[in-house]
Amino acid sequence: AQSVTQPDIHITVSEGASLELRCNYSYGATPYLFWYVQSPGQGLQLLLKYFSGDTLVQGIKGFEAEFKRSQSSFNLRKPSVHWSDAAEYFCAALKTSYDKVIFGPGTSLSVIP
Amino acid sequence: NAGVTQTPKFQVLKTGQSMTLQCAQDMNHEYMSWYRQDPGMGLRLIHYSVGAGITDQGEVPNGYNVSRSTTEDFPLRLLSAAPSQTSVYFCASSSAGNYGYTFGSGTRLTVV
Repeated sequence: AQSVTQPDIHITVSEGASLELRCNYSYGATPYLFWYVQSPGQGLQLLLKYFSGDTLVQGIKGFEAEFKRSQSSFNLRKPSVHWSDAAEYFCAALKTSYDKVIFGPGTSLSVIP
Repeated sequence: NAGVTQTPKFQVLKTGQSMTLQCAQDMNHEYMSWYRQDPGMGLRLIHYSVGAGITDQGEVPNGYNVSRSTTEDFPLRLLSAAPSQTSVYFCASSSAGNYGYTFGSGTRLTVV
């Protein structure tokens, strides 16, 4: 069955430290891949997406993600975290253009000042 | 520049009541979806649509109905509310070829 997993339920980092959030997918072929962020009490906002081509994708708010086919992973990174980055982060996947988008369970990020 | 509009923002229902959650988008997006968000379970897809007149079931469709008579609107109907349907509901839309969702701000539903 198609699935998206995020191994880390909760991560705490210090402000200014680097960040990596993990995402793995289980699909027959490489799906379209996405990262979203949700601030408390808000809807989700798209950070970045990967369809094909360059495996390092740049997004908004200084985030980037790297696609690794051999590991079925699409990890999100940020070189230096700001206190305002504290939020819930969701990885998502879409198999084909007329299919459904499946979300992972989310990773909650806390930032220590 | 409204994006995706969900109404109401909050609702309390009694068990057995029915209601419709409204979702409207003004971006001419083909794709629209309904998700529910529960603590520790992420977002689970209820129903989705790839265009007017076309709908399909997601992961957790039981107890919910949808229709897509226009491109702009995608209402979600709860037929007979149950406490297990207490959740935050999100509507989202995207354009064909883009696939990155624009989300509404959510409807917080409590069934007592």
